[in-house]
Amino acid sequence: AQSVTQPDIHITVSEGASLELRCNYSYGATPYLFWYVQSPGQGLQLLLKYFSGDTLVQGIKGFEAEFKRSQSSFNLRKPSVHWSDAAEYFCAVGSILIKAAGNKLTFGGGTRVLVKP
Amino acid sequence: DGGITQSPKYLFRKEGQNVTLSCEQNLNHDAMYWYRQDPGQGLRLIYYSQIVNDFQKGDIAEGYSVSREKKESFPLTVTSAQKNPTAFYLCASSTWTSGIRANEQFFGPGTRLTVL
Repeated sequence: AQSVTQPDIHITVSEGASLELRCNYSYGATPYLFWYVQSPGQGLQLLLKYFSGDTLVQGIKGFEAEFKRSQSSFNLRKPSVHWSDAAEYFCAVGSILIKAAGNKLTFGGGTRVLVKP
Repeated sequence: DGGITQSPKYLFRKEGQNVTLSCEQNLNHDAMYWYRQDPGQGLRLIYYSQIVNDFQKGDIAEGYSVSREKKESFPLTVTSAQKNPTAFYLCASSTWTSGIRANEQFFGPGTRLTVL
């Protein structure tokens, strides 16, 4: 079964500093990988996704992520953090359920980012 | 604008009562999903549906029920059998590319259910 680990529960970063959020996945086949962001009390917004091709993926709000198959990782980065980036971030791996005729996202536990002025 | 709506945003119920959470989408997506979110546990899949009149159990379906009578709607009922129903519930939808890839899901704003 697939699984996603986000090792950091909380990260505090100064405004203007760089940010990197770690994500490790376990999945037997070609992974479909996603990063979502959630503001308090809100739904999730897709930041970026990886299906195939270039392993460096650009997303919205200045975020990017790099897929490294050898390390089973899909880390999210931003060069310069803004106060509005304070939120919770979720990594997810998508799988195709052939027998159940569906597809499924398995989420990590999330990383909460705090931004210091 | 296309999107997913969930209502109500906050819901309070007494223990032992069934409650139904609404989810509507106008994105013309075939697939819809319900997740439960608890602090520090990420999202867990309750039920999903790829087509009208068909749905499958997710990882934590016990104590929940769903229906899919229309493509646009996927209501979730939290029954009295659910032992710990207080949580944040998120509905999502996606296109479905059968057997080819797992597409991204689009989420509604969520409903916070509190059982007193």
